[in-house]
Amino acid sequence: DTAVSQTPKYLVTQMGNDKSIKCEQNLGHDTMYWYKQDSKKFLKIMFSYNNKELIINETVPNRFSPKSPDKAHLNLHINSLELGDSAVYFCASSPRTTHNEQFFGPGTRLTVL
Amino acid sequence: AQSVTQLGSHVSVSEGALVLLRCNYSSSVPPYLFWYVQYPNQGLQLLLKYTSAATLVKGINGFEAEFKKSETSFHLTKPSAHMSDAAEYFCAVGGTYKYIFGTGTRLKVLA
Repeated sequence: DTAVSQTPKYLVTQMGNDKSIKCEQNLGHDTMYWYKQDSKKFLKIMFSYNNKELIINETVPNRFSPKSPDKAHLNLHINSLELGDSAVYFCASSPRTTHNEQFFGPGTRLTVL
Repeated sequence: AQSVTQLGSHVSVSEGALVLLRCNYSSSVPPYLFWYVQYPNQGLQLLLKYTSAATLVKGINGFEAEFKKSETSFHLTKPSAHMSDAAEYFCAVGGTYKYIFGTGTRLKVLA
């Protein structure tokens, strides 16, 4: 059974389009995250959600809008895509406390043309 | 504020040689530290974690790391490198609903 899943795995689109990435975890975790990994492999947190509530928004442009319909899902919608949005986006989850490991999804490679 | 610094963005070792990947942290509170591995085109996978129970932490695939408070370090080691260890390695510190990752070290294993 996949613990953290993301769809799609690859996403190629034109500048200005709107796209969504879906994430689901079946681990029963309270907290979910979105990370962006750039071409140099630098991993930067974008959002943290706890029990469907936004906890952290790391100065992400408001073109990015996360939505958590329930504790097991955290989707990422991106409006008006720009070239600089090209990256790999990872979803992750963890139990609430900070000393627990995060479980990562396989990533979604977004390419904006 | 918490932070981690990984020294060396690329490390090459011969197969069978010692692997040493360096991580230094900064934290005003007792840190929770992690090492993750990322294989090509995959997500991150936990290698090991330090949560103050023991300073020498053993992880999967023969890796271990030692927490040294005096040096603010959490270096990752493996006695004998295998070709399958070639990957990107990330050190991270856990914060409140936020994990800070280092910039990563790419490990290359030479035959």
